[in-house]
Amino acid sequence: SQKIEQNSEALNIQEGKTATLTCNYTNYSPAYLQWYRQDPGRGPVFLLLIRENEKEKRKERLKVTFDTTLKQSLFHITASQPADSATYLCALPGSSNTGKLIFGQGTTLQVKP
Amino acid sequence: SQTIHQWPATLVQPVGSPLSLECTVEGTSNPNLYWYRQAAGRGLQLLFYSVGIGQISSEVPQNLSASRPQDRQFILSSKKLLLSDSGFYLCAWSVPPGRREKLFFGSGTQLSVL
Repeated sequence: SQKIEQNSEALNIQEGKTATLTCNYTNYSPAYLQWYRQDPGRGPVFLLLIRENEKEKRKERLKVTFDTTLKQSLFHITASQPADSATYLCALPGSSNTGKLIFGQGTTLQVKP
Repeated sequence: SQTIHQWPATLVQPVGSPLSLECTVEGTSNPNLYWYRQAAGRGLQLLFYSVGIGQISSEVPQNLSASRPQDRQFILSSKKLLLSDSGFYLCAWSVPPGRREKLFFGSGTQLSVL
């Protein structure tokens, strides 16, 4: 089965800097990869989806890359703000075509003013 | 627009008591429905998913069960709660397989079994 690894240690950065989070996976190559944001006590919120034939995708200050050779995705937040502080989850589809997702443990980002 | 309702937000139950968590979706038809659990400091674990009324797939053996009595209603149940059932329970929906594969989550239920 698919295994997803995200850095379990919190990432602390200064406001205005670029935050980079990593998602590594094993086994089969997924057709797409997703990133979600989760605030404490809330459900995750979808941010970006990148497909296997896309190397990079951007949405405002967010950028996601997808390297199927390295089996890795990088999630960047440029010009980070304290409001970006949250846990960010990487998710991949399961092996069957049911739409179910497998989530990584998430990386907590703390942006300090 | 589509919305998902999940209740209650917080629940404290004694060991051995029953459980019923309900989730309803509005504004869409024939969604895929999911129950996830998030233990403290851990990732999301898929518990059940459903692709239609009465169709339930279990991902892990456990003390819980799920039912889908109506197209947009998903219920998570237990006859007797265990301490290990404590966690943050999340309901989610998605459009059946296609280009829109993202999940929409409810606000979650924090369950404490004492």
